[in-house]
Amino acid sequence: DTEVTQTPKHLVMGMTNKKSLKCEQHMGHRAMYWYKQKAKKPPELMFVYSYEKLSINESVPSRFSPECPNSSLLNLHLHALQPEDSALYLCASSQEPQPSNQPQHFGDGTRLSIL
Amino acid sequence: GDSVTQMEGPVTLSEEAFLTINCTYTATGYPSLFWYVQYPGEGLQLLLKATKADDKGSNKGFEATYRKETTSFHLEKGSVQVSDSAVYFCALRKPGNQGGKLIFGQGTELSVKP
Repeated sequence: DTEVTQTPKHLVMGMTNKKSLKCEQHMGHRAMYWYKQKAKKPPELMFVYSYEKLSINESVPSRFSPECPNSSLLNLHLHALQPEDSALYLCASSQEPQPSNQPQHFGDGTRLSIL
Repeated sequence: GDSVTQMEGPVTLSEEAFLTINCTYTATGYPSLFWYVQYPGEGLQLLLKATKADDKGSNKGFEATYRKETTSFHLEKGSVQVSDSAVYFCALRKPGNQGGKLIFGQGTELSVKP
């Protein structure tokens, strides 16, 4: 069983819609991550939150807007997405951003389809 | 820059065959190394890790040894099962690396036939 919970599991939206992806962990982790994964490819890092503050934005388009309301929750707000944004969106957490010997724990992802 | 290279897939094996998936890395300093597995329709699960040279990670019959001299972290299993069919990702994390960023290899798809 995964300890990082993502909702919804599937999402279909039009290019003009606004929706949000949600991620929750109760392991007391202080670093949380959003990744985008295309089929048969490795995950690509989008954002890193460290102690509820955005520490890394990997040049992600502004139509993706992350939010960390508290240490257990991470949201990804979506607006005016493009068909090429269709992908699996994975959330992950780790005990701390450092040390690097701590693994990241992943959720099962939200499969997003843009019509 | 830092990178991870894995053998190309797909790898197709018969049940009970021996598995090796090669992984080599390029990184300065002392990275920690990880193997993740992704079953169809699921997220990534940590399979095993090693944090320093000569460490051996093991889990569910899988093993990998951190070889600094050859910059490798090859994944092995003595007898694969159909349920091991998945995509396997080798990854590294480095001290001081932006927010603890994971650097992934391209993934190796494994298919095990009965």
